This record gives sequence, structure tokens and C-alpha cells, in this order.
Amino acid sequence: SAVISQKPSRDICQRGTSLTIQCQVDSQVTMMFWYRQQPGQSLTLIATANQGSEATYESGFVIDKFPISRPNLTFSTLTVSNMSPEDSSIYLCSVDQRQGARDTEAFFGQGTRLTVV
Amino acid sequence: AQKVTQAQTEISVVEKEDVTLDCVYETRDTTYYLFWYKQPPSGELVFLIRRNSFDEQNEISGRYSWNFQKSTSSFNFTITASQVVDSAVYFCALSDGSSNTGKLIFGQGTTLQVKP
Repeated sequence: SAVISQKPSRDICQRGTSLTIQCQVDSQVTMMFWYRQQPGQSLTLIATANQGSEATYESGFVIDKFPISRPNLTFSTLTVSNMSPEDSSIYLCSVDQRQGARDTEAFFGQGTRLTVV
Repeated sequence: AQKVTQAQTEISVVEKEDVTLDCVYETRDTTYYLFWYKQPPSGELVFLIRRNSFDEQNEISGRYSWNFQKSTSSFNFTITASQVVDSAVYFCALSDGSSNTGKLIFGQGTTLQVKP
């Protein structure tokens, strides 16, 4: 199973600043995903990080606010730009890994707990 | 459109009671995957089970069991003889099995509190 390391695990940031979250996987994966979990809420997909091309964003999320890099098959970053208190959330990195022809696993990093003050 | 509904927002039980967490899903795909995750207060997502749409066999893992019924689009999760350590938020999730299988649609989660 894939092991995902996410940094930082938590941070407290000033409004108006930006934070870059790193996600490192111990094996090569095709797709990496970034999710947001606002306080007391469920997880919502922000974007799919594609290696060698621009990320694919879900409705309600834009590249200017959440720029994503995917320089290789084991690493991705998500930046939360120009932060406001509404950005306070847990941000999670995820990968999927095929297990044979008809099965798959979806693994998550431990998350980054962001508080914007 | 795909959707996952966990109608139970919060459940409170006393230790050793059995508890079932409900999950109902909607999808037009014939190939899909269903997941259950546990999220303790620390925030990480702990993978519990994955089931693909071809396999309706129920599964038991220790005190945990899952009942997958395509006829009712449900994938319910039962904890037998609950323990205080089971207290957490539990999420049911659905993914499209044809391509981006890591692209999950999550239910709203059920907060389980197990009291001593």
C-alpha cells in the first residue's frame, strides 16, 4: 500500500499570506488528488494533480486560489493563496493505486490542519 | 450525478452495543467502488474497506462487518460490541470505477460516540 507523507501537519497563518502544502508518495502514482475538509464538514475534492500537465479543478475551485504543482510521479504541492479565515480547513492529499485489473485503493495523507487568523 | 447520503449525523451508544451506520449511494455507472473511512479526532483518514460493484459479498473483519446491497444502493457498516476507541467520524465514499478511481464523492459523515 502507498505511504503518503504530507507537510506541514498543521499551521497557523496570517490572513493575506500563502501556504504551500507538500505531498510525497513512496511509489509512483498516476493521479494525485487534493481535498478540503472545512470544520465539521465532509471532504470535497479541490483538484486532480496531473503529472506533466495542469491540474484539473472541480467546480468552485480556481487555479489562482489553489495553484498545484506536480513535477514528478511521487510529489505534488498545493498552495492556498491570499488566505482568509474561511480557508481554515484540513487539506488532504490522496492517491489511488490499482490492485489488479478490477480493484483499487484510495490512500490519504495525514492531512494539514490550517488555521487562518 | 453521483451522490452519497449518510442520513445519520450523530449516533451515541453505550460500550458493547452493536451499531449500524447507514450509507446510500446514487450512481449511473455500472463499475464503481465504495469505501468506508474512519476519521478520529486527530484528523487523519483511516481506510477501512473498499468494495467494487462486481462483488456483493458481505465482509467481516473482526468486530466490523459490511452489508453491500445493489438492489437498494446501500453499503451499511456495522460495529459489533462497540468500544470507546470506535468513537470517530465515519465517512462512506463512492468513486467512478472507470477512470479516476481516486476521485471520491464523500457522504456527510456520521459521528459515532461510544460511551463507557
